[in-house]
Amino acid sequence: ELKVEQNPLFLSMQEGKNYTIYCNYSTTSDRLYWYRQDPGKSLESLFVLLSNGAVKQEGRLMASLDTKARLSTLHITAAVHDLSATYFCAVLNYGGSQGNLIFGKGTKLSVKP
Amino acid sequence: DGGITQSPKYLFRKEGQNVTLSCEQNLNHDAMYWYRQDPGQGLRLIYYSQIVNDFQKGDIAEGYSVSREKKESFPLTVTSAQKNPTAFYLCASSIRQYSGNTIYFGEGSWLTVV
Repeated sequence: ELKVEQNPLFLSMQEGKNYTIYCNYSTTSDRLYWYRQDPGKSLESLFVLLSNGAVKQEGRLMASLDTKARLSTLHITAAVHDLSATYFCAVLNYGGSQGNLIFGKGTKLSVKP
Repeated sequence: DGGITQSPKYLFRKEGQNVTLSCEQNLNHDAMYWYRQDPGQGLRLIYYSQIVNDFQKGDIAEGYSVSREKKESFPLTVTSAQKNPTAFYLCASSIRQYSGNTIYFGEGSWLTVV
């Protein structure tokens, strides 16, 4: 069974600081997704990582994927308040009753002035 | 605009009632999914469908039922057999299952048992 672990689960940051969220998964997969969720809202797609070594950047967020280590990172550069949200990683699972996308529990990010 | 429409946004269910959540997409996607989210948790898959007239159980299908009679529609019924239905329900779709393409989510439906 594929398991996805994110850490930290809660993150309080000062504006202007850098930090990294980690996403580990337990079995082989080569597709990883990052989503953002604002309170009471749906999930917004941030990145789709499709191969080992993939790196994608959008604004202050950069995501990478190491399929050999089964690890993805979401790096936040010079955080601003607008980045406050919950961030989920999800791993594509090929087959089984779990379906195709297994989510981590999410990292709740709070950026303070 | 293309997207996924879920309705209703908020729904209250009495004990013993069945309720149906609607999900419609105009993205021409083959695959559709229903997820459940409990407070402070990630998403868990209830049912998914790869193509019209076909659907498969996810990890937590007990107490739920679905149909896929049209490509654009994938309604979810929460039956009285679901003992703890209060949650946030999200419908999603993608071009095909396992394609690695982006999976898009609807705005969600809040279900509360009263």
